[in-house]
Amino acid sequence: EAQVTQNPRYLITVTGKKLTVTCSQNMNHEYMSWYRQDPGLGLRQIYYSMNVEVTDKGDVPEGYKVSRKEKRNFPLILESPSPNQTSLYFCASQTGTPLTDTQYFGPGTRLTVL
Amino acid sequence: GENVEQHPSTLSVQEGDSAVIKCTYSDSASNYFPWYKQELGKGPQLIIDIRSNVGEKKDQRIAVTLNKTAKHFSLHITETQPEDSAVYFCAAIGDTGKLIFGQGTTLQVKP
Repeated sequence: EAQVTQNPRYLITVTGKKLTVTCSQNMNHEYMSWYRQDPGLGLRQIYYSMNVEVTDKGDVPEGYKVSRKEKRNFPLILESPSPNQTSLYFCASQTGTPLTDTQYFGPGTRLTVL
Repeated sequence: GENVEQHPSTLSVQEGDSAVIKCTYSDSASNYFPWYKQELGKGPQLIIDIRSNVGEKKDQRIAVTLNKTAKHFSLHITETQPEDSAVYFCAAIGDTGKLIFGQGTTLQVKP
């Protein structure tokens, strides 16, 4: 089944404790991105990647890192999480760009930073 | 940069009635406008989209209209059913080539 998977689905952590949220897709998509969803703000793009070893900042990249060493994986790294990073995170992937192809979203990761 | 405003933030309708959600965008160069449905505990899923060279697109009970002059587009759901209850997001491609999302509308369809 074609899908985008994220792990973990739920995470409670404390300020400053490094964490990684994994994202994997089995559709051989080049383009992958991370969003955060906050009430009243919709989805905002954190980082995106056009292909392996190519990443770029989205609209709200501060406090996050990503890597794209393999086509299927696009982990999101929070080196020193803070409470304002408490949010619902979505990974997404697609064949081309948002203009040309449908984005497929993962199920989401709900992160709480205490 | 591009901005997308979505209204209303919540919408409650009786089963069988129509629902309309409206979005306005700021970048006149925007040319692609998708709509996503997000069910509880799931990620957003594309339900319909429209490009700037057409004014309306239909897919069964859902339709999207686009007014490029006024820079707004709308989602219309007819004969609503309880399974239409979800959060709906509009989006637009801005001059950066990235998707910019609206704030979301929580639609409740009462049986």
